[in-house]
Amino acid sequence: DVKVTQSSRYLVKRTGEKVFLECVQDMDHENMFWYRQDPGLGLRLIYFSYDVKMKEKGDIPEGYSVSREKKERFSLILESASTNQTSMYLCASSPAGAGLHEQYFGPGTRLTVT
Amino acid sequence: DQQVKQNSPSLSVQEGRISILNCDYTNSMFDYFLWYKKYPAEGPTFLISISSIKDKNEDGRFTVFLNKSAKHLSLHIVPSQPGDSAVYFCAASANSNSGYALNFGKGTSLLVTP
Repeated sequence: DVKVTQSSRYLVKRTGEKVFLECVQDMDHENMFWYRQDPGLGLRLIYFSYDVKMKEKGDIPEGYSVSREKKERFSLILESASTNQTSMYLCASSPAGAGLHEQYFGPGTRLTVT
Repeated sequence: DQQVKQNSPSLSVQEGRISILNCDYTNSMFDYFLWYKKYPAEGPTFLISISSIKDKNEDGRFTVFLNKSAKHLSLHIVPSQPGDSAVYFCAASANSNSGYALNFGKGTSLLVTP
C-alpha cells in the first residue's frame, strides 16, 4: 500500500511565524503535490514537484515555498504565517508515466494561525 | 477559472437508494477523470476513474458515466449506505500532463440517512 505521511495532524502557529509542513511518501513516486482545502473552495494546488530539486507553482503559490531535497520528502514552508493561511493542508504523491493519473493523499495537517 | 465544476454542494439520500453525483468540465483537453472520497480530518482516497475512451466504468456499487459531448460525468452509488456519507471530489487530468496536477471540483457533501 502507498503510504503518504504528514508530520503533524494539527498545528497552531502565531501570525508571522515560519511554518514547516513535512510530507514523506514510501512508494518511490516521482511526483509530489501540496494542496489546501477550504470549505466551498475544494482542493487548490499550491506547488508540485516532479523530481528532486524541481518545483512548479500551482494555482495559489503566494505566501508559500517548497523544498524537495530527497525524492521521498516534500516540504511546504510558510515564510511568515498569516491568518488567511488557516486551512487543511494535504500532501499527495503519484508515479510518473503515461496513463498514471491517480494521486495518493496523506491524512492532512489542520493548521490554525492565530 | 474553475475548469471542473460540481454544482451541488450537498446531497441527501436515503439508505438503499441511488446516489447520483454530477460533475461538469470545460477543458476539452481533459481525457481522464477521477472521483475521490473524503471523510472529515482525513485525506481524500481514490474511488474510481474513467478514461475518455470509455463512457462507463463500474466497480462494485460505484459506476462512473462519461458524456464527452456534454462535458459531463456522474458517479452513481447503488445501493447507498450510511458509510458512504462523505465529501466527493471530481477531478480531471489531461494525458499530456500525465502524473502532474489534477484539477479538482469544489466537492459535493453526500449524506446517506438510515
